Amino acid sequence: GQSLEQPSEVTAVEGAIVQINCTYQTSGFYGLSWYQQHDGGAPTFLSYNGLDGLEETGRFSSFLSRSDSYGYLLLQELQMKDSASYFCAVREDDSWGKFQFGAGTQVVVTP
Amino acid sequence: ETGVTQTPRHLVMGMTNKKSLKCEQHLGHNAMYWYKQSAKKPLELMFVYSLEERVENNSVPSRFSPECPNSSHLFLHLHTLQPEDSALYLCASSQDFGLASYEQYFGPGTRLTVT
Repeated sequence: GQSLEQPSEVTAVEGAIVQINCTYQTSGFYGLSWYQQHDGGAPTFLSYNGLDGLEETGRFSSFLSRSDSYGYLLLQELQMKDSASYFCAVREDDSWGKFQFGAGTQVVVTP
Repeated sequence: ETGVTQTPRHLVMGMTNKKSLKCEQHLGHNAMYWYKQSAKKPLELMFVYSLEERVENNSVPSRFSPECPNSSHLFLHLHTLQPEDSALYLCASSQDFGLASYEQYFGPGTRLTVT
């Protein structure tokens, strides 16, 4: 079947580094995106990988290996405000915006 | 503030009621989406519109009826819902369907409870 797998929860202390893995099995692949969602808030776009390798955006980085059907989001220098859910999403087609999402990883940052 | 607004933010309705969810995007985008978000589950794509034309209906029950009167507005009409339809309903938009339009802008959602 088609699916995206990511851990359900990760806990870390302020200042630490967290890696959220995402493995996917989809009908097509045209890129991997990451979104952040705070409780009661809208999902907001963080990062996108269309090609293999590492993309860095400030404290957050995202990696993709298409041959392994695998990617990860790296959160560095964790801050309390980073406590949120993080979703990976795969674009499955190139004709219209069909995205498949993972169930999300709840990141809990402790003092 | 993502440029996508949704109303109402919370809705409680009985199974025999009819209600509508509204989404408005202020970004000049050409594509709009409805998603269903249930606890601990992946976002489920429900409907996709491009320039007011429905592109995809992802096997959604007929008790959900979308409407896109123009490229800025999207509605989801609800009738005779079931308790399992209780969820957060998210609206999103993107510039278009090009591969460079990989970013979707989400609204804050409508928390729907069906009693």
